[in-house]
Amino acid sequence: NAGVMQNPRHLVRRRGQEARLRCSPMKGHSHVYWYRQLPEEGLKFMVYLQKENIIDESGMPKERFSAEFPKEGPSILRIQQVVRGDSAAYFCASSFAPGTGGSYEQYFGPGTRLTVT
Amino acid sequence: GENVEQHPSTLSVQEGDSAVIKCTYSDSASNYFPWYKQELGKRPQLIIDIRSNVGEKKDQRIAVTLNKTAKHFSLHITETQPEDSAVYFCAAKGSNYKLTFGKGTLLTVNP
Repeated sequence: NAGVMQNPRHLVRRRGQEARLRCSPMKGHSHVYWYRQLPEEGLKFMVYLQKENIIDESGMPKERFSAEFPKEGPSILRIQQVVRGDSAAYFCASSFAPGTGGSYEQYFGPGTRLTVT
Repeated sequence: GENVEQHPSTLSVQEGDSAVIKCTYSDSASNYFPWYKQELGKRPQLIIDIRSNVGEKKDQRIAVTLNKTAKHFSLHITETQPEDSAVYFCAAKGSNYKLTFGKGTLLTVNP
């Protein structure tokens, strides 16, 4: 019973490079959410996707950040031209289609800790 | 948009005592309120949740209460144990399906 999977668990990038973070949802889940967590802070919503569709990206910075959840394969959060302020833990969560059978639970992956040097 | 306030930011209790963490929310349309426990370097884990049509829910030593009129909800942990030490986050889900989290409470249970 695999839970939400994320890789890599740790990622180090130099300023200006690209970071790609991957998330495979829990089996049976069709909806994925990405959150960012800065040290000693809460989780900030970034984007909400279902397969081949971005439902809500209101928490995504307008530039350099993009997300996708293709028909096949994991969801990917891409950060282009990373800066030091992008250093954080990035968590994805997955769920059934919200409201399905009354279910709203989101289950989190182990996170990717991005360090920009 | 939704705004969730969480208090206190740190809480220290003796083993065996009770711990209470409180949250308030702003969006009266919010209808789902989960609580997550996060140990250092680990993923947030869902420990209990409550819907807006229920006033209280209990699971062993953990309980959550919801006051819709006042727009606040609380986590109660009884008979605390050292392994309860972690950061606890409350969250609220509005009509747009996204969760808005509080800033977290660092709970320390002293043996």
